[in-house]
Amino acid sequence: GQQVMQIPQYQHVQEGEDFTTYCNSSTTLSNIQWYKQRPGGHPVFLIQLVKSGEVKKQKRLTFQFGEAKKNSSLHITATQTTDVGTYFCAGPQGAGNMLTFGGGTRLMVKP
Amino acid sequence: NAGVTQTPKFQVLKTGQSMTLQCAQDMNHEYMSWYRQDPGMGLRLIHYSVGAGITDQGEVPNGYNVSRSTTEDFPLRLLSAAPSQTSVYFCASSYDTFSTLDTGELFFGEGSRLTVL
Repeated sequence: GQQVMQIPQYQHVQEGEDFTTYCNSSTTLSNIQWYKQRPGGHPVFLIQLVKSGEVKKQKRLTFQFGEAKKNSSLHITATQTTDVGTYFCAGPQGAGNMLTFGGGTRLMVKP
Repeated sequence: NAGVTQTPKFQVLKTGQSMTLQCAQDMNHEYMSWYRQDPGMGLRLIHYSVGAGITDQGEVPNGYNVSRSTTEDFPLRLLSAAPSQTSVYFCASSYDTFSTLDTGELFFGEGSRLTVL
């Protein structure tokens, strides 16, 4: 069936190191969204990408949408302890074009 | 605005019991949905609604019922709880569908942690 896959599932980094999570869809997506969930919290919207090859930046976070609109990535430069959490990508698929979420990448940052 | 409000935050049930998770939003959103979150499996769609009086199944609907009698409320009913339904449940709402280019974000409630013994 239609799926959104994310890798890696977990990532431990030393504070100051960079971090990247990758998202792949089995189908072409009209858009892709990224969410962050802090430990014990709920997912919070970060950004939406719409155009093929689009790159957006939010301070130390860089988001990319692939040329074929089937993959995306989130890169964090110089991680901080405040970046700890699980990062999810999500795209409209399947039933009613509601959002299908990837499995998430849990980022742990060692001070 | 309170956003999306879920109750209860925690619940323990015995196998076979039924219960309702409540969800209300005050943003006048047409689209509401229920997701469950299990370790390593991300968020999986249970049921969704595109407006009052309209509901449909998501990826994992078995064992759950929903109704949407008003725009604001979207309760999730567990008919006969099973240990496999132990999970964290999130209600979420959005202004529009996600298939258009100019779509908005999904707003989540704080979650309901359910344990079925």
